[in-house]
Amino acid sequence: QKEVEQDPGPLSVPEGAIVSLNCTYSNSAFQYFMWYRQYSRKGPELLMYTYSSGNKEDGRFTAQVDKSSKYISLFIRDSQPSDSATYLCAMGFGYGGYNKLIFGAGTRLAVHP
Amino acid sequence: GAVVSQHPSRVICKSGTSVKIECRSLDFQATTMFWYRQFPKQSLMLMATSNEGSKATYEQGVEKDKFLINHASLTLSTLTVTSAHPEDSSFYICSATPSGTNTDTQYFGPGTRLTVL
Repeated sequence: QKEVEQDPGPLSVPEGAIVSLNCTYSNSAFQYFMWYRQYSRKGPELLMYTYSSGNKEDGRFTAQVDKSSKYISLFIRDSQPSDSATYLCAMGFGYGGYNKLIFGAGTRLAVHP
Repeated sequence: GAVVSQHPSRVICKSGTSVKIECRSLDFQATTMFWYRQFPKQSLMLMATSNEGSKATYEQGVEKDKFLINHASLTLSTLTVTSAHPEDSSFYICSATPSGTNTDTQYFGPGTRLTVL
């Protein structure tokens, strides 16, 4: 079993739809949770990061963490074609003094006009 | 701010040659840098953690003699793929953490696509 599970998609939605992206994890030692966006052949870009259970909102993006269920989500409201990318969840914990990140497989999202 | 660059962005080489990839933090100092590898339609896999002035820490299964990492300054880390083979073809991405901050904040470079013929 992988430490972080993420449905690779692809997920295709019409412009304006609400998108829900999810990851589950097995290691209860994870202390912080992140969502990255990666455009084709580019490096990942940090979208959201959270340290505790609950919701965190930033513009059209809402990150949700449920530590009891080991489940995190990213919601995108009013999705736009420019949101078409691969979304990676990542989780981290202290490791040998350096906080390494464990990434999900990434979900490919396509928002069509 | 917090820009990380990589050079080259793309490299094609013959089997058996060595390839060096540079990772630079342009507007901040980075005590710690990370090197990842990403195969098509797969996630980022951490290869090694690089600390300025000390030896890199490699993840299990990553050959340290094949993937040489040097972090000689606070703004530059290099990854050298020695005696590259076609199975080393991948997308190599580095990230950097600003000095004096918690290393949960990683800023990623744009990646280097390596193709070994």
